[in-house]
Amino acid sequence: QQQVKQSPQSLIVQKGGISIINCAYENTAFDYFPWYQQFPGKGPALLIAIRPDVSEKKEGRFTISFNKSAKQFSLHIMDSQPGDSATYFCAASYAGGTSYGKLTFGQGTILTVHP
Amino acid sequence: DVKVTQSSRYLVKRTGEKVFLECVQDMDHENMFWYRQDPGLGLRLIYFSYDVKMKEKGDIPEGYSVSREKKERFSLILESASTNQTSMYLCASSSPGTGGRGAFFGQGTRLTVV
Repeated sequence: QQQVKQSPQSLIVQKGGISIINCAYENTAFDYFPWYQQFPGKGPALLIAIRPDVSEKKEGRFTISFNKSAKQFSLHIMDSQPGDSATYFCAASYAGGTSYGKLTFGQGTILTVHP
Repeated sequence: DVKVTQSSRYLVKRTGEKVFLECVQDMDHENMFWYRQDPGLGLRLIYFSYDVKMKEKGDIPEGYSVSREKKERFSLILESASTNQTSMYLCASSSPGTGGRGAFFGQGTRLTVV
């Protein structure tokens, strides 16, 4: 079963626009929610992450918004640039213990930013 | 710079062959993982290991096994390769000591079974 659902599957944005990718999760035991960015031919790389005790985290142009009651979180990319064109994955995991790093991923979103 | 290295970028194997995918990390991480990535399905966990010689099944372990004889090395084994195992395979490592940095991934091995 898909415990983390991601949408949209693909997204096209003009340069300077805002890209928004949404995820929903089912398991309330998850306590760590990272976003990964993957360029063609590369492995995913951690972009930004949030824990459920905060509702928003911002790093540069990237912001995670988190809604614990709705079990949803989203990635906002402000002032999107062509270099942001990549596949983005949301994920969820338990932050501690032997399961650290054991991630459940969403289906991925292919983002294309047109110049 | 932290590194997770997978032994091959591309592999082509025949149906029924035994296939070994190797992964090495240089960060002294306790946990290592094997995922497969398929379009529209994201990354799915095959197996993970939280210590030498320790392993746990992930979400899709059927047709796979793993070996971890040393802390830095984690191998994925396809006992008898089938065409439905054609995929991108990603190795990752992590440790609670990474301060919330999550998992670090290798560059992936694209396996084609013909």
